[in-house]
Amino acid sequence: ELKVEQNPLFLSMQEGKNYTIYCNYSTTSDRLYWYRQDPGKSLESLFVLLSNGAVKQEGRLMASLDTKARLSTLHITAAVHDLSATHFCAVEITRVPTDQTGANNLFFGTGTRLTVIP
Amino acid sequence: EAQVTQNPRYLITVTGKKLTVTCSQNMNHEYMSWYRQDPGLGLRQIYYSMNVEVTDKGDVPEGYKVSRKEKRNFPLILESPSPNQTSLYFCASRYRRTYNYGYTFGSGTRLTVV
Repeated sequence: ELKVEQNPLFLSMQEGKNYTIYCNYSTTSDRLYWYRQDPGKSLESLFVLLSNGAVKQEGRLMASLDTKARLSTLHITAAVHDLSATHFCAVEITRVPTDQTGANNLFFGTGTRLTVIP
Repeated sequence: EAQVTQNPRYLITVTGKKLTVTCSQNMNHEYMSWYRQDPGLGLRQIYYSMNVEVTDKGDVPEGYKVSRKEKRNFPLILESPSPNQTSLYFCASRYRRTYNYGYTFGSGTRLTVV
């Protein structure tokens, strides 16, 4: 069974500080995604990481993927209050269903609840 | 606007009363799926569909049904809801073989079964 573990589960940080969220998974993956969820809201896509060594940056967030280590990181630079949300990683694998091929499934980590304190 | 639309957003129902949560996408995506989100458990897949008339079970399918008669719609059916199905439900879709854009999620349906 695929396990996706995020660390830390809760993160409280001051504005302007840097921090990294870690996402470990237990089996070979095709792709890895990072999402953000505000309380009571839907999931917003942050990054799609498609291959080993992939690094993507958007504003104060940078995501990387090491498929050999089965590890992805989400690095926050100079945090601002707007980043407060729950951040999820999700690992995508190809599922072989009962009578079809090529179906994919997302396995989510439990999320990291990030609070940025002014 | 490209989006996944779920209805209703909130629903309170009684045990055993059949209900349907609708999901519709306007992006011509082949792949659609349903997830439930519970505290401490993250999101778990209920059912998915690779295309019209092609559906299969996810990780927690018990107590749910789905259908995919049209490409844009993927309703989730609870034939006899029970309190343990109280949860936040999300529908998601994407192109089957184009991965760059990831999944698009609906706004969610908060279901309470009493």
